[in-house]
Amino acid sequence: EVQLVESGGGSVQPGRSLRLSCAASGFTFDAYAMHWVRQAPGKGLEWVSGISWNSDNIAYADSVKGRFTISRDNARNSLYLQMNSLRPEDTALYYCARDQTSKFDHWGQGTQVSVSS
Amino acid sequence: QSALTQPRSVSGSPGQSVTISCTGTSSDVGAYDYVSWYQQHPGKAPKLMIYDVTRRPSGVPDRFSGSKSGNTASLTISGLQAEDEADYYCCSYGGSYTFALFGGGTKLTVL
Repeated sequence: EVQLVESGGGSVQPGRSLRLSCAASGFTFDAYAMHWVRQAPGKGLEWVSGISWNSDNIAYADSVKGRFTISRDNARNSLYLQMNSLRPEDTALYYCARDQTSKFDHWGQGTQVSVSS
Repeated sequence: QSALTQPRSVSGSPGQSVTISCTGTSSDVGAYDYVSWYQQHPGKAPKLMIYDVTRRPSGVPDRFSGSKSGNTASLTISGLQAEDEADYYCCSYGGSYTFALFGGGTKLTVL
């Protein structure tokens, strides 16, 4: 069974940093691209960032470019999101999602990030 | 790039059919056959319902179908059931640098 478990969320002040993790199991992690998708309270889904299976291709939404860094460790079956210079508008539930050829076929349950002073 | 445009809400009675539209541009929906639809119940993670415009993952009822014409994709749910009440999001591949664009979401109410 495919499982994606996010962790690392929390409450921080604007300008601070957080590092999210996503532990994958039940599938061959290094065969898939992976993504982060977020959902602000009461709002819709927003794609944040994606990384190819071998980390050669990485992309970011304009809203996080220059502040967030996606990475992965295939030996640890883990995906990461380093979030710097956090803003109140980054407050959201952050989901880790598996990419099966341009579709998100499995999602974690999310980790909550709150940014406020 | 801007999010895709969906109606905020749709409704239907049990047994009826509803269609949710998703309008993008010639750079996303109109350019690629990589439109997917996700169902999200309150407090739950999104679930893939349709991919590649028309394909259904195993386990998704055939009451759910997808289509596309030009820059607009559509999700049709026939034979509405109470458990279909949820938020639905469309998503399109947007190219190498803007990998995925989501719609704003549509709340489906089963009357």
